[in-house]
Amino acid sequence: GESVGLHLPTLSVQEGDNSIINCAYSNSASDYFIWYKQESGKGPQFIIDIRSNMDKRQGQRVTVLLNKTVKHLSLQIAATQPGDSAVYFCAENNAGNMLTFGGGTRLMVKP
Amino acid sequence: NAGVTQTPKFQVLKTGQSMTLQCAQDMNHEYMSWYRQDPGMGLRLIHYSVGAGITDQGEVPNGYNVSRSTTEDFPLRLLSAAPSQTSVYFCASSYVQGNAEAFFGQGTRLTVV
Repeated sequence: GESVGLHLPTLSVQEGDNSIINCAYSNSASDYFIWYKQESGKGPQFIIDIRSNMDKRQGQRVTVLLNKTVKHLSLQIAATQPGDSAVYFCAENNAGNMLTFGGGTRLMVKP
Repeated sequence: NAGVTQTPKFQVLKTGQSMTLQCAQDMNHEYMSWYRQDPGMGLRLIHYSVGAGITDQGEVPNGYNVSRSTTEDFPLRLLSAAPSQTSVYFCASSYVQGNAEAFFGQGTRLTVV
């Protein structure tokens, strides 16, 4: 399940720093958003989700922020670790049964 | 509990050949779906199913067929493979619609020559 793309935007951070990955979504009617993490050779793994009636949701070391005014979603990872290195995708649910995925951002953590 | 299992992991086809990608889940999930992932792009939905006997088209259904005779299995068929179908294919399942907390398989890397 290699998700490498030649033109994936890349975020490089130092181990221990906080990471912020951004995503712009397309449909103002979308009511549910998910962040996925995909490591090399694996399928996407659910990280955290948020519904459109919320602005913020926190998990373990991760926080998702939703700004519906500008249709923007962000994933914040606190104290980034080498194991966080992966490609991160946001996805929006805008038609009940269909998820639309963004192009992905590669996070590289420098030791 | 194996989760979502896809087979095969790798496959090379000649143009015009047909094949079936297998997907099975043991979590009793009603909702299953197939995605393809191309370089530089996110996952795109091919077909999905909200339960046994019910399937529907996603964003890119052309060239693919699906069926859902049981809750556990959701095979994806390529009727006549084309080079444009070279991609990595992922099957996913979840408790509810919209792929909330979807579990993904490991993927099938398909090359059509």
